[in-house]
Amino acid sequence: SAVISQKPSRDICQRGTSLTIQCQVDSQVTMMFWYRQQPGQSLTLIATANQGSEATYESGFVIDKFPISRPNLTFSTLTVSNMSPEDSSIYLCSVDPTYTFGSGTRLTVV
Amino acid sequence: AQSVSQHNHHVILSEAASLELGCNYSYGGTVNLFWYVQYPGQHLQLLLKYFSGDPLVKGIKGFEAEFIKSKFSFNLRKPSVQWSDTAEYFCAVNLLSGGYNKLIFGAGTRLAVHP
Repeated sequence: SAVISQKPSRDICQRGTSLTIQCQVDSQVTMMFWYRQQPGQSLTLIATANQGSEATYESGFVIDKFPISRPNLTFSTLTVSNMSPEDSSIYLCSVDPTYTFGSGTRLTVV
Repeated sequence: AQSVSQHNHHVILSEAASLELGCNYSYGGTVNLFWYVQYPGQHLQLLLKYFSGDPLVKGIKGFEAEFIKSKFSFNLRKPSVQWSDTAEYFCAVNLLSGGYNKLIFGAGTRLAVHP
């Protein structure tokens, strides 16, 4: 199955700043998914990213807040913009068709 | 709206007890089904998945799950749990329809196994 690497693994950021999270896969995949796991909660899908097209966002998530890039079939980035403490979560990426997950990025906003 | 329900939010068992965690989904179309495990402080791992074929699926660490289409269920089982099975378990359903592809998670079940 696909091996997924995420960077950074964790970060502490000041409110009002932005953080870009990278997701690298060791094989070409069609779809990449970005999820958020808030403390003590389950996973919520933020958006789906296909190479060569705009990401598709789920209800409650907007491109201005969570811009996504998908420049090729093995890489994607998620940016968390203008951060507030409510954005403190673990952010994870996953891929089709294995639906395995990266180790996640633990973000704390202070 | 499509949803995934895990009815047991917290389960406490003694070692060697049998485990069954319920998972039901609400979607009438084609689905793929998954169980994930998240050990304390660790990242999400895939336990098993069902795409097609034999509805009884065997996964890692002695876990298995049975897809019952008529009941929209995909319950996770293990005949004898160990202390090391203490973790949170998530059921997820991949909805497939005309290019639509979305993995939806249940709320999770926290399992505590006492020695």
